[in-house]
Amino acid sequence: AQTVTQSQPEMSVQEAETVTLSCTYDTSESDYYLFWYKQPPSRQMILVIRQEAYKQQNATENRFSVNFQKAAKSFSLKISDSQLGDAAMYFCAYSSNTGKLIFGQGTTLQVKP
Amino acid sequence: DTAVSQTPKYLVTQMGNDKSIKCEQNLGHDTMYWYKQDSKKFLKIMFSYNNKELIINETVPNRFSPKSPDKAHLNLHINSLELGDSAVYFCASSQARSTGELFFGEGSRLTVL
Repeated sequence: AQTVTQSQPEMSVQEAETVTLSCTYDTSESDYYLFWYKQPPSRQMILVIRQEAYKQQNATENRFSVNFQKAAKSFSLKISDSQLGDAAMYFCAYSSNTGKLIFGQGTTLQVKP
Repeated sequence: DTAVSQTPKYLVTQMGNDKSIKCEQNLGHDTMYWYKQDSKKFLKIMFSYNNKELIINETVPNRFSPKSPDKAHLNLHINSLELGDSAVYFCASSQARSTGELFFGEGSRLTVL
């Protein structure tokens, strides 16, 4: 069975600095997708970034980028130039062709002014 | 226009009651989901429908019954509510089952007293 692990329950970063959130996963499949979702206090789940496993190039979305290490089954999220609005809970998630999204435990990110 | 909308957003009820949460998406997606987020913020899939057909049914008590009258709607009915049912329930939709990119509603917080 696939699993997703986020080993950092909480992280904090100074405004304008860079922070990296860790995620590891376990799967025997070769074709899958990985995601980072953001859940601010408003509760809405927002897709931050998406990575297809068959792509070697790391995905980037403005200040958000990932470090995808397929052999190590690692998928970390880097947030550059952190802003107060980045404060939220971040979930790493895995999906294969079943359509089922499996989430990690989440990491709460605090941004200090 | 809200892409995925759920009603009600908050629900407080007594143990033993029956309640429903409704979900509608206007994205034209084929697949809809119900996820449960517990008090520790852990997100787990409950059900998924593709074009009104049930395709994922996790080990959920049969007190929970999803119903999809059409592909734009997926409702969740819960019978004989228990204290442990207290959680936030998220509806989501996706265009293609295999990509896992989900669009979430704002969640419905259910409190069972």
